[in-house]
Amino acid sequence: QQQVKQSPQSLIVQKGGISIINCAYENTAFDYFPWYQQFPGKGPALLIAIRPDVSEKKEGRFTISFNKSAKQFSLHIMDSQPGDSATYFCAASVGETSGSRLTFGEGTQLTVNP
Amino acid sequence: ETGVTQSPTHLIKTRGQQVTLRCSSQSGHNTVSWYQQALGQGPQFIFQYYREEENGRGNFPPRFSGLQFPNYSSELNVNALELDDSALYLCASSAGGVVSGYTFGSGTRLTVV
Repeated sequence: QQQVKQSPQSLIVQKGGISIINCAYENTAFDYFPWYQQFPGKGPALLIAIRPDVSEKKEGRFTISFNKSAKQFSLHIMDSQPGDSATYFCAASVGETSGSRLTFGEGTQLTVNP
Repeated sequence: ETGVTQSPTHLIKTRGQQVTLRCSSQSGHNTVSWYQQALGQGPQFIFQYYREEENGRGNFPPRFSGLQFPNYSSELNVNALELDDSALYLCASSAGGVVSGYTFGSGTRLTVV
């Protein structure tokens, strides 16, 4: 059962462009929504996260937009750079404390062409 | 020591065999979670250990088991290996079980033939 659906599966963007990755969730109990970045041969690393009490969070070139009523959230990467080329995963959890577990989307392979 | 270290990095096993994967967490990280990441998929939660006790389990059969030790190391054991067990196994640790504080290791790539 896929509780977090992610799209697109792959994305190619030119340097300087905007990369947009979308996720939708089913479980309304989810209240923590992180995005992870994974390079080949490495484990996922936390990029940015949001809680449902805000509609947008920005950190540098990375922005999460959150739509609670639609149960959707998205990652926007502004001024995309070749170094951003990686696989991105959205995730969700119920709470953030002991016993919480992350439910991941299927991932988006981003390629930023120079 | 900082970071999460997993060993071995790669492993090939035969169907039906047993395997033990190891994870060494940062000092003070009393929570460790294990995830299975099949090729081209997102990680799936296997189980979590908090202060050496299992503290949550995903949809995995009992032949997947674990241990956590007082020195912040942990093990994932898989018995009766099946071809579908071929995946990247990730260990993630945090202090106090805070999901936002997860640090993932680079994983162990298990191939079952």
